[in-house]
Amino acid sequence: EVQLVESGGGLVQPGGSLRLSCAASGFTLSHYWMHWVRQAPGKGLVWVSRINSDGGSTTYADSVKGRFTISRDNAKNTLFLEMNSLRAEDTAIYYCARDVRRSLDPWGQGTLVTVSS
Amino acid sequence: QSALTQPASVSGSPGQSITISCTGTSSDVGSFNLVSWYQQHPGKAPKVMIYEDSKRPSGVSDRFSGSKSGNTASLTISGLQAEDEADYYCCSFAGSWVFGGGTKLTVL
Repeated sequence: EVQLVESGGGLVQPGGSLRLSCAASGFTLSHYWMHWVRQAPGKGLVWVSRINSDGGSTTYADSVKGRFTISRDNAKNTLFLEMNSLRAEDTAIYYCARDVRRSLDPWGQGTLVTVSS
Repeated sequence: QSALTQPASVSGSPGQSITISCTGTSSDVGSFNLVSWYQQHPGKAPKVMIYEDSKRPSGVSDRFSGSKSGNTASLTISGLQAEDEADYYCCSFAGSWVFGGGTKLTVL
């Protein structure tokens, strides 16, 4: 069964840092682009970042560019999102998802990041 | 990149058909055959229902169909069922990815 499991969320102060992980199973991670998408409480989905299959190419939403870094360890079947200089508006559930022909399938269950003092 | 435009809410009775629109620009929806649609039930992760404008993943009911005309994509759900009540999001690839604001479907 194809599965994605996020971890690493939690409460962090404004200006702080957090590293999210996404463990993949049931498929060969190195064959796929991967994404992070977030959803603020009660709000819609917002695309955050994408990484190609070997990690050599990344793309970010303007709102996180320069503060977030997406990376991957294909040997450990794990995707990461390093988040720095966190702001209150970064508070959201963060989902990882696999890219299949430029659609996102499947999605993990999400991990909640709360930025608050 | 600006979010795609979806109606905030739609509703229909069991057995009826509804259509959710998703309007973008010639730089996103109108440029590529890469619109996808996602269903999200409360407290759950999104699930892809349509990809590449009109293709259905294995396991998705054929009551769900997608289409596109110019800069507007549409998701149609026929034979509405109570379990279809959820939030629906469109998404377009255009160098990066952009989502619509979401549409809440209520089955009356």
